Amino acid sequence: EVLLVESGGGLVQPGGSLRLSCAASGFTFSRYEMNWVRQAPGKGLEWISYISSSGATMYHADSVKGRFSISRDNARNLLYLQMNSLRGEDTAVYYCAKASDNYYFDYWGQGTLVTVSS
Amino acid sequence: QSALTQPASVSGSPGQAITISCTGTSSDVGSYNLVSWYQQYPGKAPKLMIYEGSKRPSGVSNRFSGSKSGNTASLTISGLQAEDEADYYCCSYAGSHTVVFGAGTKLTVL
Repeated sequence: EVLLVESGGGLVQPGGSLRLSCAASGFTFSRYEMNWVRQAPGKGLEWISYISSSGATMYHADSVKGRFSISRDNARNLLYLQMNSLRGEDTAVYYCAKASDNYYFDYWGQGTLVTVSS
Repeated sequence: QSALTQPASVSGSPGQAITISCTGTSSDVGSYNLVSWYQQYPGKAPKLMIYEGSKRPSGVSNRFSGSKSGNTASLTISGLQAEDEADYYCCSYAGSHTVVFGAGTKLTVL
């Protein structure tokens, strides 16, 4: 059974940093591209980050470019999202999502809530 | 990276069919047959319902179907059931390993 479990969310002040983790199991993690998708309270889904299976290629949405960084540890089956210079508009539930070969997300974690507030 | 356009809400009675549209541009929906659809209940993670425009994952009811014409993709749910009441999001590949989501549609079963 594929399982994705996010952790690391919480309350952080504006300008602060946080690192999210996503523990993957039930599939060969190193073979698949991974993504982070977020959802602000009462709002829609927003794709924010992509990483290739090897970790060599990353892309970020304009809204987080230069502030967030996606990475992975294939030896430990872990996906990360380093979030710096956090703003109020970054408040959201953050989901990690396993990607298929054709850019659809077949498995999602349960999400972790990040609240940016003073 | 502008969000795809979806109606904010649609509704239908049990047994009826409804269609949710998803309009993008020639840079996303119109360029690739890589539209996916997700169902989301309140407080839950999204669930994949349709991928590559019209394919259903194992376990998804055949009452759900997808199609595309030009820059607009559509999700049709036939034989509407109370359990279909949820939010639905479309998503399209937009090049360079990026995707864009629609703003979401709230489906109400009357």
